[in-house]
Amino acid sequence: ETGVTQTPRHLVMGMTNKKSLKCEQHLGHNAMYWYKQSAKKPLELMFVYNFKEQTENNSVPSRFSPECPNSSHLFLHLHTLQPEDSALYLCASSHEGQEVYGYTFGSGTRLTVV
Amino acid sequence: DQQVKQNSPSLSVQEGRISILNCDYTNSMFDYFLWYKKYPAEGPTFLISISSIKDKNEDGRFTVFLNKSAKHLSLHIVPSQPGDSAVYFCAAIFGGSQGNLIFGKGTKLSVKP
Repeated sequence: ETGVTQTPRHLVMGMTNKKSLKCEQHLGHNAMYWYKQSAKKPLELMFVYNFKEQTENNSVPSRFSPECPNSSHLFLHLHTLQPEDSALYLCASSHEGQEVYGYTFGSGTRLTVV
Repeated sequence: DQQVKQNSPSLSVQEGRISILNCDYTNSMFDYFLWYKKYPAEGPTFLISISSIKDKNEDGRFTVFLNKSAKHLSLHIVPSQPGDSAVYFCAAIFGGSQGNLIFGKGTKLSVKP
């Protein structure tokens, strides 16, 4: 257990479904991130929240909608996804000024869109 | 264009020998370089990092070397153990700026008993 908890671990959804991924950290970090890992690609940064404010959206389609109600919780709301959105979605957190320690990642949600 | 490149998708090493994982980068403004280790069905875990002002950092069996002139870094694991078998990601970040941790594609290391 790294201190960053993601639920669910696995999710299968149809293209017309709406679902949400949840991430929680109690490390006292002030930034949280969503990354996507597809086969044979580097981890791709999707969204950044710094002190609850979204500071980056890496040209992510609107069918992915993040929400950060407080500095410990992060959600990724999913709707009308495509099969090519199937991937491992990773949440991470960090603390400003501690870049040398990198980010702490959760175990990820393995998403399959059918 | 990839800013962090790991050109070897896989590496196989005998137990007890040295594993050398390589990484190249293009942006000379990176302040820190990091290595992550990832087992299947788990998220990446931080392994070791190095500041851009240093050329070597060591932590137990793991040593990272940085050659700024060549924009190249490497991770040495010695001696390699079967439990080291995992995917290793090289990453780079700008200091004082969150949200810019950039990853390579990873190298799958297999350590054979």
